[in-house]
Amino acid sequence: QSVLTQPPSVSGAPGQRVTISCTGSSSNIGAGYDVHWYQQLPGTAPKLLIYGNSNRPSGVPDRFSGSKSGTSASLAITGLQAEDEADYYCQSYDSSLTVFGGGTKLTVL
Amino acid sequence: EVQLVESGGGLVQPGGSLRLSCAASGFTVSSNYMSWVRQAPGKGLEWVSVIYSGGSTYYADSVKGRFTISRDNSKNTLYLQMNSLRAEDTAVYYCARSRHGYGPFDYWGQGTLVTVSS
Repeated sequence: QSVLTQPPSVSGAPGQRVTISCTGSSSNIGAGYDVHWYQQLPGTAPKLLIYGNSNRPSGVPDRFSGSKSGTSASLAITGLQAEDEADYYCQSYDSSLTVFGGGTKLTVL
Repeated sequence: EVQLVESGGGLVQPGGSLRLSCAASGFTVSSNYMSWVRQAPGKGLEWVSVIYSGGSTYYADSVKGRFTISRDNSKNTLYLQMNSLRAEDTAVYYCARSRHGYGPFDYWGQGTLVTVSS
């Protein structure tokens, strides 16, 4: 059971918009800790996608965006592409230690 | 160019020990927050341990008392000493860098597989 809760799977057709939620509590996201998001393609290491709730590292397309409100955060992907099919993880802190969400598998139909 | 390269994984019997290494290049390990994160087969990411730039160390409850994180500044290398290994420790182990406390993991290694089985 992960400290941060994500839906196990989401799906969308090419060109559509999907969102992935990350629900925490008052001891992690709600305590003010930033939320970061990672994309993990099959057989590869995770890659930083969004940091500090809503910032994109250099090279990440602006189709990816993040937001945070209260005890939850969300990752939105617009203009869905086949190459976006991957696992997505949110990450934050709880009592100063790192916690991850359980991960969400995105399927592009 | 920042690079992290893990090594030391393999097959070990339950109760055995293994030491993982993470050789860093392009930055100084001791000036950053360095973590180990693992991923069991078909499962999600699980944070294991961190060593702060100041030297403080912290562990997940699942490995506390069995694993030890350390670094060798002269070799710019991070380590994870794993003792009393259990089947549930079977996973790909990644080292990852964070520039500061509560920051994101901006660089990850390619991972090394640890299999605990008789």
